[in-house]
Amino acid sequence: KAGVTQTPRYLIKTRGQQVTLSCSPISGHRSVSWYQQTPGQGLQFLFEYFSETQRNKGNFPGRFSGRQFSNSRSEMNVSTLELGDSALYLCASTNGDTSTHYEQYFGPGTRLTVT
Amino acid sequence: AQSVTQLDSHVSVSEGTPVLLRCNYSSSYSPSLFWYVQHPNKGLQLLLKYTSAATLVKGINGFEAEFKKSETSFHLTKPSAHMSDAAEYFCVVSADVLTGGGNKLTFGTGTQLKVEL
Repeated sequence: KAGVTQTPRYLIKTRGQQVTLSCSPISGHRSVSWYQQTPGQGLQFLFEYFSETQRNKGNFPGRFSGRQFSNSRSEMNVSTLELGDSALYLCASTNGDTSTHYEQYFGPGTRLTVT
Repeated sequence: AQSVTQLDSHVSVSEGTPVLLRCNYSSSYSPSLFWYVQHPNKGLQLLLKYTSAATLVKGINGFEAEFKKSETSFHLTKPSAHMSDAAEYFCVVSADVLTGGGNKLTFGTGTQLKVEL
């Protein structure tokens, strides 16, 4: 089975712009979660989508949004980029629906640099 | 709410010696606990998971962890370190869907493992 894929792998944007990141989960996985990793804040949960619905949300401003398509692929969008949004954005998928005992499988991440 | 505390930000060992990475958790219910590893410029790889079955959990690459409820600990160990083990390790707790957590993971701050010759 192919793993979780994320595109693009690297991205450079300017303050004020918006960006869309894409994640394709492992085939058959219906839950996709997004995480932000920075040296200062570590790994923080952004949101989770399950069957095209946002099921869980972290403590990020409304500039961060996401969606999930019927094929479970997910996108996250960041509008009005700030320098502090520079980070590695990781996507994870799991085949768990109601149980948290299922491990999450992570993609390689998208490295976003905001200048 | 659940949380994890990784007690050491950096650990340095010699190749061939044992590895101990410490993690304490806080959870109001029976948690699911994981250890993930991240090599430089790579994504996260699952090492092992605890889900209320056996308290001693064996993972990949010779790693194992023991769940101790009385100590609220989930330390990661390996009998003999290898150069390829050098990476950052994260202790992770998963929220329980019964409390509305879904599949949210809460990460520790990470332990950077250095392996020296």
